[in-house]
Amino acid sequence: DTGVSQNPRHKITKRGQNVTFRCDPISEHNRLYWYRQTLGQGPEFLTYFQNEAQLEKSRLLSDRFSAERPKGSFSTLEIQRTEQGDSAMYLCASSLETGGEQYFGPGTRLTVT
Amino acid sequence: KNEVEQSPQNLTAQEGEFITINCSYSVGISALHWLQQHPGGGIVSLFMLSSGKKKHGRLIATINIQEKHSSLHITASHPRDSAVYICAVRSYLTGGTSYGKLTFGQGTILTVHP
Repeated sequence: DTGVSQNPRHKITKRGQNVTFRCDPISEHNRLYWYRQTLGQGPEFLTYFQNEAQLEKSRLLSDRFSAERPKGSFSTLEIQRTEQGDSAMYLCASSLETGGEQYFGPGTRLTVT
Repeated sequence: KNEVEQSPQNLTAQEGEFITINCSYSVGISALHWLQQHPGGGIVSLFMLSSGKKKHGRLIATINIQEKHSSLHITASHPRDSAVYICAVRSYLTGGTSYGKLTFGQGTILTVHP
């Protein structure tokens, strides 16, 4: 296993369109995290999964955002009716245990025009 | 005031210089992470520490839990060290549990000139 992967790496979409990103964590990791990073800022927590259960959602995650991890392996993050303010880098990380080191994917850069 | 504050925000150094980046936090934490981010977005974990000091090659990280402060030091800096360095803390939920959510500082942009 070569680490956390994310697809696509870049996404350009028009305002109002829906987009979906995928994250494949390291295979034995049962914790998965989504973060969002805007230009010049540090990442911000969006949501967290332990296996298939979504245990925490940030207030940043409006009702246009939904995340799933149906079989406790890969995860998807969907943004409906995208807005220009959604333009950011979306980062996924995984860890083996709650207190363990988090391994980050390369991110998906979203640009909403 | 942010829960995690880093200083400086920008740092320029000449190759070979000793570099220090500081991180202060205002919440109780179970661990502190130092991360490195290169242009293009990829984040690499450098250290995870909850007390004392850790060293890896030319990098040293220290933490003072009582003072809620951590430092990242780079000895004999090199242009390839140029990156954004991010401090992140893992805080406790009410009741003392900690599920791994990280709160990040805004990052320190380091540029090392040859």
